[in-house]
Amino acid sequence: ETGVTQTPRHLVMGMTNKKSLKCEQHLGHNAMYWYKQSAKKPLELMFVYNFKEQTENNSVPSRFSPECPNSSHLFLHLHTLQPEDSALYLCASSQEKNADIQYFGAGTRLSVL
Amino acid sequence: AQSVTQPDIHITVSEGASLELRCNYSYGATPYLFWYVQSPGQGLQLLLKYFSGDTLVQGIKGFEAEFKRSQSSFNLRKPSVHWSDAAEYFCAVGARAAGNKLTFGGGTRVLVKP
Repeated sequence: ETGVTQTPRHLVMGMTNKKSLKCEQHLGHNAMYWYKQSAKKPLELMFVYNFKEQTENNSVPSRFSPECPNSSHLFLHLHTLQPEDSALYLCASSQEKNADIQYFGAGTRLSVL
Repeated sequence: AQSVTQPDIHITVSEGASLELRCNYSYGATPYLFWYVQSPGQGLQLLLKYFSGDTLVQGIKGFEAEFKRSQSSFNLRKPSVHWSDAAEYFCAVGARAAGNKLTFGGGTRVLVKP
């Protein structure tokens, strides 16, 4: 148990659906991250939040919309996704954006039909 | 920009044998270096890290890694693997000049034979 909890663990959605991924960290950290892990590709950083402010958007399509209401919670809102968006989405947190160690959740396995 | 290469996509090792996973990085200055492990259906767990000082770092689960600046490498080793070490291993480099943004290698999947 890393202190970073992601729900749901698995999600199947159609291309016209709207769904949200949730991440919660119990570590008192101030920075949170969304990563995408696709088969046969390196882990890709999507978004970074530091003290609830988005500090990085790694050229992510607008069909992915992050939300960070407080330092403990991070959401990824999904709408009109494509089949190629099927992947494992990992959330991570660290003490601060410039901190050394990121702690990862178990991820949400997303399948887009 | 920094980059990380893990040359071996798959490695099969017998239980009790030694294991070495290769990692090469590209970065203009001294980086932060990490090894993470991902078991099936799980997120990434930190095995060990190098920031400065002693170039041989010890981690959890009996793993160690050695930073070799001249070779731009940070290879992971374990003297005797256990069946529970079967997993995917990721090397990552943090760029100090870029707010410690992590760049990950493609991963090495380790299979352990009985």
